[in-house]
Amino acid sequence: QVQMQESGPGLVKPSETLSLTCTVSGGSISSYYWSWIRQPAGKGLEWIGRIYSSGSTKYNPSLKSRVTMSVDTSKNQFSLKLTSVTAADTAVYYCARGPPGWYNWIDPWGQGTLVTVSS
Amino acid sequence: QSVLTQPPSVSGAPGQRLTISCTGSSSNIGAGYDVHWYQQLPGAAPKLLIYGNGNRPSGVPDRFSGSKSGTSASLAITGLQAEDEADYYCQSYDSGLSGSWVFGGGTKLTVL
Repeated sequence: QVQMQESGPGLVKPSETLSLTCTVSGGSISSYYWSWIRQPAGKGLEWIGRIYSSGSTKYNPSLKSRVTMSVDTSKNQFSLKLTSVTAADTAVYYCARGPPGWYNWIDPWGQGTLVTVSS
Repeated sequence: QSVLTQPPSVSGAPGQRLTISCTGSSSNIGAGYDVHWYQQLPGAAPKLLIYGNGNRPSGVPDRFSGSKSGTSASLAITGLQAEDEADYYCQSYDSGLSGSWVFGGGTKLTVL
């Protein structure tokens, strides 16, 4: 069954760029949609954005100006870049599969990786 | 402030039945978009619990059920067990602004 693993720096300085990669195993990244979701400590979930294996993207309007997602099908990976980070961006970041459409769900999820924004 | 509103916490004794509500608006649940539910055990990633308003993925006990009506949805848990203690989140699509998938603020379920 498909599994995802997030990787990237656990500490990012304020005003810099957060960069994470999600490696998909047990299945192909092609022909699927993939998302990033984050969760600040003790708080709820926030959908960040979605990318299709062709590279088409859709971002959360509240983060759109700072978010870029990309995909590398040869490596079965997709990535997240979030610019000009502040302490408010400190969270556990999850990568996950889906949703493919307006009516759809997100499943499965990676285990998540904690990113702390601090000098 | 989440687009979908859930009670912050609910509690119940083992064996009891309880429900968790998820209230939206005319731009999300009320517009006909499906509602999905996730269970997040302590220290773990969210796991899909209910999809398409009331469908259970393989492996999810039939003690869990979901429903939707109007601008709201509900997750019901019967025969409450200690292992059900977790955070529960609803999710749907919101067509406001440029459109976005949205989550409820989450509900902490405590088994007494």
